[in-house]
Amino acid sequence: EPEVTQTPSHQVTQMGQEVILRCVPISNHLYFYWYRQILGQKVEFLVSFYNNEISEKSEIFDDQFSVERPDGSNFTLKIRSTKLEDSAMYFCASSAEASYSNQPQHFGDGTRLSIL
Amino acid sequence: GNSVTQMEGPVTLSEEAFLTINCTYTATGYPSLFWYVQYPGEGLQLLLKATKADDKGSNKGFEATYRKETTSFHLEKGSVQVSDSAVYFCAFTQGGSEKLVFGKGTKLTVNP
Repeated sequence: EPEVTQTPSHQVTQMGQEVILRCVPISNHLYFYWYRQILGQKVEFLVSFYNNEISEKSEIFDDQFSVERPDGSNFTLKIRSTKLEDSAMYFCASSAEASYSNQPQHFGDGTRLSIL
Repeated sequence: GNSVTQMEGPVTLSEEAFLTINCTYTATGYPSLFWYVQYPGEGLQLLLKATKADDKGSNKGFEATYRKETTSFHLEKGSVQVSDSAVYFCAFTQGGSEKLVFGKGTKLTVNP
């Protein structure tokens, strides 16, 4: 069964450094998402991406965050200048159609980001 | 605001016991409802879904019924197995928005 893959599984970065989290969505999917889960808290939506542009973002997704689909297979989340509070598990997801058409989102295994 | 409230965990059961994990939601309009499961060391997997009132989603012996009158989507399984040990997340999407809104998750441990 096709799956969403994320790399790396664990990323350790010094505060203030830039970090790029990588995702390969399911190949025929058109909608891409990032979520994060701070330890002990809820899974929170960050951003959705369709047709090479952001379609929706949360208040968490401020100017230090950006997303990109640099080629036909990868989808990346960049955090420009990391803060301690960015430490979390980051999940990538994809879906064949828009969520409001009731298509489920398929998730990767996540990247655990630790900021020191 | 929009939110999901899930039964506080952790839940510990013996094999073959009956499982209920309560979930209620606060949303406008007609959300689509989901249960996701996260097995140890893995990502979130869709377990089941229901997209309109009175729909029942089912998969792997798990069931949940979309109850609009009580804004609930409780997860049930008649006889749990050790392999069902995982964290279960209730979530929804609603018209015009891409985002899934998640509950905090309920950790289930099933002992042999």
